[in-house]
Amino acid sequence: DIQMTQSPSSLSASVGDRVTITCRASQSISSYLNWYQQKPGKAPKLLIYAASSLQSGVPSRFSGSGSGTDFTLTISSLQPEDFATYYCQQSYSTLRTFGQGTKLEIK
Amino acid sequence: QVQLQQWGAGLLKPSETLSLTCAVYGGSFSGYYWSWIRQPPGKGLEWIGEINHSGSTNYNPSLKSRVTISVDTSKNQFSLKLSSVTAADTAVYYCARHKTIYYYGSGSAFFDYWGQGTLVTVSS
Repeated sequence: DIQMTQSPSSLSASVGDRVTITCRASQSISSYLNWYQQKPGKAPKLLIYAASSLQSGVPSRFSGSGSGTDFTLTISSLQPEDFATYYCQQSYSTLRTFGQGTKLEIK
Repeated sequence: QVQLQQWGAGLLKPSETLSLTCAVYGGSFSGYYWSWIRQPPGKGLEWIGEINHSGSTNYNPSLKSRVTISVDTSKNQFSLKLSSVTAADTAVYYCARHKTIYYYGSGSAFFDYWGQGTLVTVSS
């Protein structure tokens, strides 16, 4: 299995802050890395695919970077609706795996 | 607009078989893999398995002995059966579309549409 490790597991920030979440794969996954946002009681929503491509309809304050084993999700200026849990996910392997999640909370 | 609508029993006893179905509305049913993903209360996401319109499947090895995913192309539906459930199988179960794209000699794959989720509780 390809293990996906996110850091931090939780994060407190304020509206307007710039936030970065990191995801590390246990082996190289090229750019087969996606980011999802999940709010309580809702299904995950795709934000970024192929490490850095913005899904249609997602605000441009979200961006992704990285390749190989190390990836980041950056929110340039936090908005109230961005407080949620974020997951990375690899599709390099047929056994799709997710990171454990990063809960972004209001400071 | 693609929509996934899922349904199935929400309360099971240990040793019973979980059964969920997901219907796909809008868009093409072929050309994609259709997945099941679960999330125990307060925990992260676990991919269960997937199927395409031809019936080709891939399963998570940790669940493979108990999982069957099937497809009904006449109804644009796919289904999940998980046998011999225990309390550890209590989770919200999601269906999702897995899309693969190819570009510049490379590619990407991701879950772009999800069902609303079904809470399945296993309790005696």
